[in-house]
Formats: sequence, C-alpha cells, structure tokens
Amino acid sequence: GEDVEQSLFLSVREGDSSVINCTYTDSSSTYLYWYKQEPGAGLQLLTYIFSNMDMKQDQRLTVLLNKKDKHLSLRIADTQTGDSAIYFCAESITNAGNMLTFGGGTRLMVKP
Amino acid sequence: NAGVTQTPKFQVLKTGQSMTLQCAQDMNHNSMYWYRQDPGMGLRLIYYSASEGTTDKGEVPNGYNVSRLNKREFSLRLESAAPSQTSVYFCASSVNGLYNEQFFGPGTRLTVL
Repeated sequence: GEDVEQSLFLSVREGDSSVINCTYTDSSSTYLYWYKQEPGAGLQLLTYIFSNMDMKQDQRLTVLLNKKDKHLSLRIADTQTGDSAIYFCAESITNAGNMLTFGGGTRLMVKP
Repeated sequence: NAGVTQTPKFQVLKTGQSMTLQCAQDMNHNSMYWYRQDPGMGLRLIYYSASEGTTDKGEVPNGYNVSRLNKREFSLRLESAAPSQTSVYFCASSVNGLYNEQFFGPGTRLTVL
C-alpha cells in the first residue's frame, strides 16, 4: 500500500530558506505534488514534479526528488511571513487510477 | 469562474441527524472527490467520481453516501451523523488523466455533538 509521511512542524526566520521533506513508499508513483493550505482555506497546488525528473525549479521553489530513497523535498528560498501555511506532499499512482495520496502536512511558521 | 464551491461553510449537528454537503464546479472537470481533514492526518479520500454517472469508495467511506447529480455537482450525505464525523470536509475536482492536479473548494467545517 501507499503511505506518505512528513514531519509535523518547521519554524524558520524570515529571509532564511525552508526545506520541507516527504517520504513515500509506492515506487509506481507518476507525479508528486506540493500543495499549500492557508488558514481556513482549501488546498492549492504549488508545484509538481514528474517521476522521471530529479529536480524542478520555479522561482523561489525548488523540488528535489530522490527516487531511489523515495524522498521528496520542497525548498523555499528567501522565506516570507506570507509563506506561513501547511504544506502537503501528495503522490499519484498509475495503477490506482491516478488517485492522490496525501501526507499529513507540515506546518511552516515563519518568524519575522 | 468560481472554481469549486461548497455549501454550507459551517454546520453543527446532533448525533443521529442527517445532512447533505453540496459541491459544484464550473471548470468542466470529469472527476470529483470528497475528502475529510483531521488534525495531523492529512486528507483522507471518502468517495470519488471519475466521471458523470460513476462513484467509487475511497479510504474512509463508512457512514457516508454520495451522488454525482450531473457533471457539475457532487454531494456528500451523512445519514446518521456521529461525533467521529466531526471534521473539515473538502470537495475537489480534476480533469482526470495521468497528471491529476486537483482543485479544492474552501471546505465545510462540521461539528457533531
């Protein structure tokens, strides 16, 4: 079965880099996603990576994928107070109808 | 475009009461989903509908029923609410396909006393 795990909490200072980590167990995942949830709101897609890629960069966001270790990370450069939110990683698996399995979420707190 | 809308935003029920959560999307998406979110547990899939006219169970379907009324609307019904169903419920939709970006509604916060 599939299982996606994340640490619960991360605290950084404004201007520092944040690194949020995720591990997954299903090697047949096709896409891996990072979603952001602000207080009182639904989830919003931040970025994604296809499983045959190692890295993807999108402005302040860098996604790294280590398929051998089934490890995904999201790096946010120059973290701002507006980045404070819960971040979820998710995987979609071809032989499960591309359904998404979400991790438990990492709460990022950015201190001024 | 409104995206994915959900009603109501908040609801308080007594144990044993029934209610229906409504969800609609205006993006012409094929697939729709219902999740529940509990602290520290991420989102768990309750039911989904891959296309109009089909529904399937997700990870935690017990105590719920769904109806895909048409392509736009997907409702979630609690026939006899229990305190264990206190949660935040999210509806989502996607085009469907290998790349499965899901678009989420704002959520319904349900408390069962």
